[in-house]
Amino acid sequence: AQRVTQPEKLLSVFKGAPVELKCNYSYSGSPELFWYVQYSRQRLQLLLRHISRESIKGFTADLNKGETSFHLKKPFAQEEDSAMYYCALSLGNEKLTFGTGTRLTIIP
Amino acid sequence: NAGVTQTPKFQVLKTGQSMTLQCAQDMNHNSMYWYRQDPGMGLRLIYYSASEGTTDKGEVPNGYNVSRLNKREFSLRLESAAPSQTSVYFCASSEDEGQPSYEQYFGPGTRLTVT
Repeated sequence: AQRVTQPEKLLSVFKGAPVELKCNYSYSGSPELFWYVQYSRQRLQLLLRHISRESIKGFTADLNKGETSFHLKKPFAQEEDSAMYYCALSLGNEKLTFGTGTRLTIIP
Repeated sequence: NAGVTQTPKFQVLKTGQSMTLQCAQDMNHNSMYWYRQDPGMGLRLIYYSASEGTTDKGEVPNGYNVSRLNKREFSLRLESAAPSQTSVYFCASSEDEGQPSYEQYFGPGTRLTVT
């Protein structure tokens, strides 16, 4: 069965420093990968998806099929980036498999 | 346009009691989902419905039943609550069946405690 691993439960980064949230997946085919974010007192929402190859709020993520990774990166962290981040995988159907999440805290 | 709404927001049950969590969406989405969120476990799919009249089990369906009442509403029922069902429950919906890279839209969650 497919699996998504986020090795860091907690990550603290100083404001202005680079951010990298790690995500690895186990699936031999061609999955679709997503990052979802939950800000304090807000709903879980889509941040970005690999198929769009877009940058949202300064975040980017590149799908590396060789390393089966989809790490989320931002060159300069901002305080408003503090949130819970979930990596998720779809096999092209309706269902998403989520990782366990990483709580990112930006230190002023 | 309220998106996905859930009721109640909070609930405390005693072991063995039953209850139904309600979910509705006003985006005309075909697919709807129920997840539970537990510390250190992420979100796990309980049940989903790809279209009105159909439901399928997800990763953790035991102890739950669902009803897709119509295109808008998808309810989750706990027949005999257990402390292991203490969790935050999220409902979500997504765009048309068969489309790749669905964005799922989430409700605000229901925090359930079973004592």
